[in-house]
Amino acid sequence: QVQLQESGPGLVKASETLSLTCTVSGGSVGSGSYFWSWIRQPPGKGLEWIGYINYSGSTNDNPSLKSRVTMSLDTSRNHLSLRLGSVTAADTAVYYCATYHGGRRGWFDPWGQGTLVTVSS
Amino acid sequence: DIQMTQSPSSLSASVGDRVTITCRASQSISNYLNWYQHKPGKAPKLLVYGASSLQSGVPSRFSGSGSGTDFTLTISSLQPEDFATYYCQQSSSTPLTFGGGTRVEIK
Repeated sequence: QVQLQESGPGLVKASETLSLTCTVSGGSVGSGSYFWSWIRQPPGKGLEWIGYINYSGSTNDNPSLKSRVTMSLDTSRNHLSLRLGSVTAADTAVYYCATYHGGRRGWFDPWGQGTLVTVSS
Repeated sequence: DIQMTQSPSSLSASVGDRVTITCRASQSISNYLNWYQHKPGKAPKLLVYGASSLQSGVPSRFSGSGSGTDFTLTISSLQPEDFATYYCQQSSSTPLTFGGGTRVEIK
């Protein structure tokens, strides 16, 4: 059973880069069976897909984030990473990592518990 | 982008009630529609994938239906542990998008 746990700084200054890690247990990030995804939820708002990455490092991210997103996999540490550049207060959110199943037309399962990141001015 | 619209945005119901949540896509998404349950401070949980396939371990009181642009999630007999926010999500095309959520509260 795959389990995911997000970690990273809870506070980031505006204009800097947000960096998060998602540690995977019970599965391998090098597996071709899944895509690995990031999703966020601003306070009081709905869920927003950030992007996903597959075992070969191929990525697909949300154009709404205007190319500020970098995703990567570390097979030696079995984790995935997210970097979001030039952050503003609008990037304050709970950030989740999730496993994306079923190919490109799939579903998210499971999800991590999420980690709150606040962008300060 | 495909817009997903859920209704209602919130509802109050009693234990034992039948609850129906609707999700509408801005264009046809075939059956590429998933439903999630989210409780505060917890990881969202997959309930239904492919519009009508129940995820393993999810109680049979949950069911999903629909295709094209109109979908429903039904809880046949609401239980105390079902009070949560429910989201639909389309996987027909990227960017993947979610509905705005339906909060199910205790009446």
